[in-house]
Amino acid sequence: DVKVTQSSRYLVKRTGEKVFLECVQDMDHENMFWYRQDPGLGLRLIYFSYDVKMKEKGDIPEGYSVSREKKERFSLILESASTNQTSMYLCASRSRNTEAFFGQGTRLTVV
Amino acid sequence: AQSVSQHNHHVILSEAASLELGCNYSYGGTVNLFWYVQYPGQHLQLLLKYFSGDPLVKGIKGFEAEFIKSKFSFNLRKPSVQWSDTAEYFCAGTLTTSGTYKYIFGTGTRLKVLA
Repeated sequence: DVKVTQSSRYLVKRTGEKVFLECVQDMDHENMFWYRQDPGLGLRLIYFSYDVKMKEKGDIPEGYSVSREKKERFSLILESASTNQTSMYLCASRSRNTEAFFGQGTRLTVV
Repeated sequence: AQSVSQHNHHVILSEAASLELGCNYSYGGTVNLFWYVQYPGQHLQLLLKYFSGDPLVKGIKGFEAEFIKSKFSFNLRKPSVQWSDTAEYFCAGTLTTSGTYKYIFGTGTRLKVLA
């Protein structure tokens, strides 16, 4: 089975902190994605990566950056956390001809 | 902007009623389309997927969807819903841009099935 693992289930951070969310997949997928999920807004794409060191902005990249140094790992970085970044963050991976497989999510609260 | 849209935000049905949830996409070219379900407090689960071939796709739990290219639609259907189908449903699609593939979601439809 495909496994996508996010490093934390729950995080509480202070405003202004730099936050790292880590995601690892074990299926050699080329593509990896970071979303945030908010009630009524569905899943909004923050960034995605189609290869090592390659990244593209999604629909809401402001306030975020990403890193993909190895194929299996895709990190989301909040440079200076703000309260409006309190959300559920979902990581996913896929190959070209598969659906996306999701991690269990990280619920981030910024206080 | 290229997007996937779901126009029904909340749907309430009685058990045994038929279900159809709308999904439209706005981009052309090759499309791959998906429906996911999220039960309360749980993770996203894939219901069905369309890549090519037969436009009528059968999924799990008795769900199906039909890809209608002329209408840019991929509506989800179930002939008879159960109380356990109460959940949020998301339509998703891939967008090819410059050779890379976005994977984007609609805003979701909350379905409540009354026993």
